[in-house]
Amino acid sequence: QKEVEQNSGPLSVPEGAIASLNCTYSDRGSQSFFWYRQYSGKSPELIMFIYSNGDKEDGRFTAQLNKASQYVSLLIRDSQPSDSATYLCAAGLRGGADGLTFGKGTHLIIQP
Amino acid sequence: GAVVSQHPSWVICKSGTSVKIECRSLDFQATTMFWYRQFPKQSLMLMATSNEGSKATYEQGVEKDKFLINHASLTLSTLTVTSAHPEDSSFYICSAGAPLHFGNGTRLTVT
Repeated sequence: QKEVEQNSGPLSVPEGAIASLNCTYSDRGSQSFFWYRQYSGKSPELIMFIYSNGDKEDGRFTAQLNKASQYVSLLIRDSQPSDSATYLCAAGLRGGADGLTFGKGTHLIIQP
Repeated sequence: GAVVSQHPSWVICKSGTSVKIECRSLDFQATTMFWYRQFPKQSLMLMATSNEGSKATYEQGVEKDKFLINHASLTLSTLTVTSAHPEDSSFYICSAGAPLHFGNGTRLTVT
C-alpha cells in the first residue's frame, strides 16, 4: 500500500517567518515528488516538483528531498497571509502521468 | 495559463437526472486523466483513471455504472454522474499531464 503521510495541522506561522511543511512516503520506488497548494473551495495548484535528492528553489519556495529517509519538505520563506492554505504532498512515477499518491494535506495558517 | 480545462465550474441538478463534466488537456495530449472527488473539509479522493481508447479503471467503492467515464480522444475525458442524488453533491476535479495539473473543478449540487 503506497502511502504519503503529512501532519494535518493546523500549522500556525507568523507573517514573515519560514513555514516548514513535511511529508514522508512509503514507496521507495517513487521517483517524482510534488507540492500542491489548495485554497478552500478551489482545486489544487502545483507549487513545486522535485525529482533529485537535495534542494530545489523557486522564489520563496524551496523543496527538499531525501530519498534515503523517504522524506520531502517544503519551505516557504517570508510567509505571507496569502500563503494560508492546505498544502498537499504527492509522490509518484514519471512526473505523475501514471497517477500520484497524495497525502491528506497540511493546513497552514500565516498569522498577520 | 491553465493546462487542464474543466467545464462546467458549477452545476445544480435535480435528483434523478444526469450530469456530464468535461475535462480537456490544453496544448498536450493525455492518454491518461484522473478524476477526483472532494467533500467539504475532506481530502482528495481518487475516483477513477480515465484511459484513452479503453475502459476506465475505478477505485474500490466507486460505482462504475453510476460514474460513467469516456475518454474518446487524447484531449478530452468526460465524467457523467448518472441518476444523481443529493449524496453525490461534491467537488469533482480532473487532472492530467506530467507534472500533474488539475482543472478548476466542478461543484455539483443535487437538489
